[in-house]
Amino acid sequence: NAGVTQTPKFQVLKTGQSMTLQCAQDMNHNSMYWYRQDPGMGLRLIYYSASEGTTDKGEVPNGYNVSRLNKREFSLRLESAAPSQTSVYFCASRETSGSGTDTQYFGPGTRLTVL
Amino acid sequence: RKEVEQDPGPFNVPEGATVAFNCTYSNSASQSFFWYRQDCRKEPKLLMSVYSSGNEDGRFTAQLNRASQYISLLIRDSKLSDSATYLCVVNYLQFYFGTGTSLTVIP
Repeated sequence: NAGVTQTPKFQVLKTGQSMTLQCAQDMNHNSMYWYRQDPGMGLRLIYYSASEGTTDKGEVPNGYNVSRLNKREFSLRLESAAPSQTSVYFCASRETSGSGTDTQYFGPGTRLTVL
Repeated sequence: RKEVEQDPGPFNVPEGATVAFNCTYSNSASQSFFWYRQDCRKEPKLLMSVYSSGNEDGRFTAQLNRASQYISLLIRDSKLSDSATYLCVVNYLQFYFGTGTSLTVIP
């Protein structure tokens, strides 16, 4: 049981390049999320998927696209990277216990630098 | 106005001390509340959920005050291993994270 996995762990891009961040979970969770974390800003939601086949914008979606490939996998794509997208990206999946205490589990993160 | 606000610290306390963190949230309709712990360059991990009645897990006690819209975390008998950043998280339609409070426990 690996939990939430992300690839790659580190990436350096040049401005204008594109890339896809991969995320997979093996906990059979319906909901998955992409966040970015910047110093002094906390984690901010980029996109989320409440269930397979659905995706919705979060707080900071501009410059990103997502794909919920199946229940396990949720990818984040940068079509034309910009220096402002330099950040640490975390994928998360959510357990809905039914008791109201929903829990999110995070992957180890991808550290992206855009030059 | 930020959805969730925390004192960033840093808090530097000696081993064995008791330390408390507070967090305020802006949306009175918020439904669930959590404290997460994040070690340097690692992912956030759930420390504990926060219930209206208050809850305790070993040395950690969490309280929720819905009327004043704040959440607290109390750590008793601090250990060196408690050094981390503590994130306050509030859920209303989506999860909102505070910027975190940094704690260093000194030998």
